Amino acid sequence: DTAVSQTPKYLVTQMGNDKSIKCEQNLGHDTMYWYKQDSKKFLKIMFSYNNKELIINETVPNRFSPKSPDKAHLNLHINSLELGDSAVYFCASTPVRGGTDTQYFGPGTRLTVL
Amino acid sequence: GQSLEQPSEVTAVEGAIVQINCTYQTSGFYGLSWYQQHDGGAPTFLSYNGLDGLEETGRFSSFLSRSDSYGYLLLQELQMKDSASYFCAFLRGDKIIFGKGTRLHILP
Repeated sequence: DTAVSQTPKYLVTQMGNDKSIKCEQNLGHDTMYWYKQDSKKFLKIMFSYNNKELIINETVPNRFSPKSPDKAHLNLHINSLELGDSAVYFCASTPVRGGTDTQYFGPGTRLTVL
Repeated sequence: GQSLEQPSEVTAVEGAIVQINCTYQTSGFYGLSWYQQHDGGAPTFLSYNGLDGLEETGRFSSFLSRSDSYGYLLLQELQMKDSASYFCAFLRGDKIIFGKGTRLHILP
């Protein structure tokens, strides 16, 4: 059973396009996150939702829009893609908001913008 | 501010012991976590120190000293499969802040 899944695993697209990445967790967790990992492996949080409510919104361009239809799903839509958006995007979840719980990461989506 | 510092790369020999250090700066500190990430893979949780001292999980141990704002990850009996990046991280409010990662190279 896959705990945190993401689709697609790879995404290659042209500059200016709009794309979405989907994430689902079957762990029953309340809190989900999106991270961006750049070519230097730096993991930076982008957004977090707790029970469908946005609780973290880092300084991310407003071309990025997360959406959580229910607490098991967190999607990321990106408008007008730019070269600098090329990275690996990880979804993650934790049982509850904050606290000291382990983060469970999805397999990642490698986005390449040409 | 809040930050974590760890070496960018460490090299060790198969079968040996290696220590990866992490110093941090933050307020409202709860504890220090460690994650492992293999090339092309996702970060996976290794250990968490909420209190000072040593936590042991098999070949891996993690240590925390709050008074020194310092922790380390100790890997014993190194195996080639331990070649990966290792991240220290702390919780800050609702966020986990990650260090920039230490790339561990293992020589046969």
